[in-house]
Amino acid sequence: DAGITQSPRHKVTETGTPVTLRCHQTENHRYMYWYRQDPGHGLRLIHYSYGVKDTDKGEVSDGYSVSRSKTEDFLLTLESATSSQTSVYFCAISESGSPGWETQYFGPGTRLLVL
Amino acid sequence: RKEVEQDPGPFNVPEGATVAFNCTYSNSASQSFFWYRQDCRKEPKLLMSVYSSGNEDGRFTAQLNRASQYISLLIRDSKLSDSATYLCVVNRRNNNDMRFGAGTRLTVKP
Repeated sequence: DAGITQSPRHKVTETGTPVTLRCHQTENHRYMYWYRQDPGHGLRLIHYSYGVKDTDKGEVSDGYSVSRSKTEDFLLTLESATSSQTSVYFCAISESGSPGWETQYFGPGTRLLVL
Repeated sequence: RKEVEQDPGPFNVPEGATVAFNCTYSNSASQSFFWYRQDCRKEPKLLMSVYSSGNEDGRFTAQLNRASQYISLLIRDSKLSDSATYLCVVNRRNNNDMRFGAGTRLTVKP
């Protein structure tokens, strides 16, 4: 299994509070991704990173920010959590971003409940 | 309309059965295609890539029909361990543009 960890694995928080999720990899892969998974929607990309300090928005980026100060760590921040952000969050990594046949390896996920 | 559509199931089949899942995608510019497997409360894992000529990996066969924008996964001789949700994934161009179907749930029963 790819060396990807996520922390925390479970979190309950209240509306309006900031939340930071961490993804850590030991594979030295260049690309890292944050997805959310909701029933009936499949996984949707929030943000991704193609290198240290290089990030870009995905399909559902509103309300989220990210940072990548080291190759191995990719942080996802909910500045002010809302109930609509209750979800399962998965981090993923890939060695490169193109030509598109690269396998993405996923972390174990973080279950976030916003009350 | 979602970009990647799958029958959510559930498919309940006996051990040894053959089961087929279908997936349709709406973006004709899509370039690469995959099936991922996700066990309950676990992360998705790549099952197989889907090539234009079709490909097989043991009991699993994947087919792609670009003209109809349709992908299929066939599982022969189902095992109890095949019980999972199968995600169809379509990539438009590169890995920051992947679109996931909501998944098809399979339960294989003794």
